Amino acid sequence: TQLLEQSPQFLSIQEGENLTVYCNSSSVFSSLQWYRQEPGEGPVLLVTVVTGGEVKKLKRLTFQFGDARKDSSLHITAAQPGDTGLYLCAGFNAGNNRKLIWGLGTSLAVNP
Amino acid sequence: SAVISQKPSRDICQRGTSLTIQCQVDSQVTMMFWYRQQPGQSLTLIATANQGSEATYESGFVIDKFPISRPNLTFSTLTVSNMSPEDSSIYLCSHFGGDPFEAFFGQGTRLTVV
Repeated sequence: TQLLEQSPQFLSIQEGENLTVYCNSSSVFSSLQWYRQEPGEGPVLLVTVVTGGEVKKLKRLTFQFGDARKDSSLHITAAQPGDTGLYLCAGFNAGNNRKLIWGLGTSLAVNP
Repeated sequence: SAVISQKPSRDICQRGTSLTIQCQVDSQVTMMFWYRQQPGQSLTLIATANQGSEATYESGFVIDKFPISRPNLTFSTLTVSNMSPEDSSIYLCSHFGGDPFEAFFGQGTRLTVV
């Protein structure tokens, strides 16, 4: 059974601080995705990483896929209150009946 | 990308009753997924629904408790049957789309069983 361990589970920081969220697995994924969810809404895709060692940037967010495609990280620089939400990583393998394997989620609160 | 409309957005139900959640997609999609989520926590897959065949349920979920219909490629329903307070949760429908693919979700149904 493929599992994705995501940490930390909860994070409360002050505006302007930096933070990193980690997603780790013992399994290899063909791609890994990061989603953000706000209360009362479904998760929305932030980024997909496909190649081992890949780094993608989305404004203040930096996403990295591990060389072995087993782990990923999300780094937020100078966090803002608008970054508050639930961040979820999800791994995908085409042979796994096209099901996503979800991390436990990181609930982020950025205080002004 | 296909947009999903899910309803109801929330409901408060009496124990022992049933609630049917509907998801309408604005274009045809092959597979739809139903998830359960406790607030602030991750998603747990309930079942995968394909048009024209019975839904495939994940371990711990059974058809008698969570019957699913998929009458066509744009619509699906999930029924939560004989509800108990333990069924209080957020229920989400989803499908895959795009290239590279991504998961699209309905707005979720926040169910409270009293």
